[in-house]
Amino acid sequence: DGGITQSPKYLFRKEGQNVTLSCEQNLNHDAMYWYRQDPGQGLRLIYYSQIVNDFQKGDIAEGYSVSREKKESFPLTVTSAQKNPTAFYLCASSMDRDQENLFFGSGTQLSVL
Amino acid sequence: KQEVTQIPAALSVPEGENLVLNCSFTDSAIYNLQWFRQDPGKGLTSLLLIQSSQREQTSGRLNASLDKSSGRSTLYIAASQPGDSATYLCAVNSGNTPLVFGKGTRLSVIA
Repeated sequence: DGGITQSPKYLFRKEGQNVTLSCEQNLNHDAMYWYRQDPGQGLRLIYYSQIVNDFQKGDIAEGYSVSREKKESFPLTVTSAQKNPTAFYLCASSMDRDQENLFFGSGTQLSVL
Repeated sequence: KQEVTQIPAALSVPEGENLVLNCSFTDSAIYNLQWFRQDPGKGLTSLLLIQSSQREQTSGRLNASLDKSSGRSTLYIAASQPGDSATYLCAVNSGNTPLVFGKGTRLSVIA
């Protein structure tokens, strides 16, 4: 089955620790996106990548980092510089930059210990 | 900068009722508009996509309309069912930037 997989579903971070959220897709999509969702809020864009080995900052990139070494993978690292990391993180992919037929993963809930 | 607003933030209706969810956007120069559904603790599922040249799109009991000049879209749900309970988000594509999402409308359909 084609789809987009996020792991883990739940993640806990200690203060000062970096954590990495995984996002893998087997849809052969060029574009991938990371969003943050806080309770009662819409989605805010963290980073996006429209092609391998290239990515751009979204609206709230501070305290986060990404890489796009392979077409199917777009991991997100939440660094210790992100002071309020508790949120629901969603990864998405689309065939191209038009973002039609946008597919989402099932999300990772990150909490601070 | 494009801003997307959804009203109401929450809505509760009895089963069988027809209902309308609203979405407004500040910049009418859009490429398309999409409606998504999100169940609690889950990712988003695409429901309908309307291109800027279209007035409406239909899928089953769902009908989405677009009035680009006034910066508005509506999602009409006919004969609502408890299984329709979810959060509905609209998102605007301005063509050269990633989608801008509204905060969503949380719908509860009471049996």
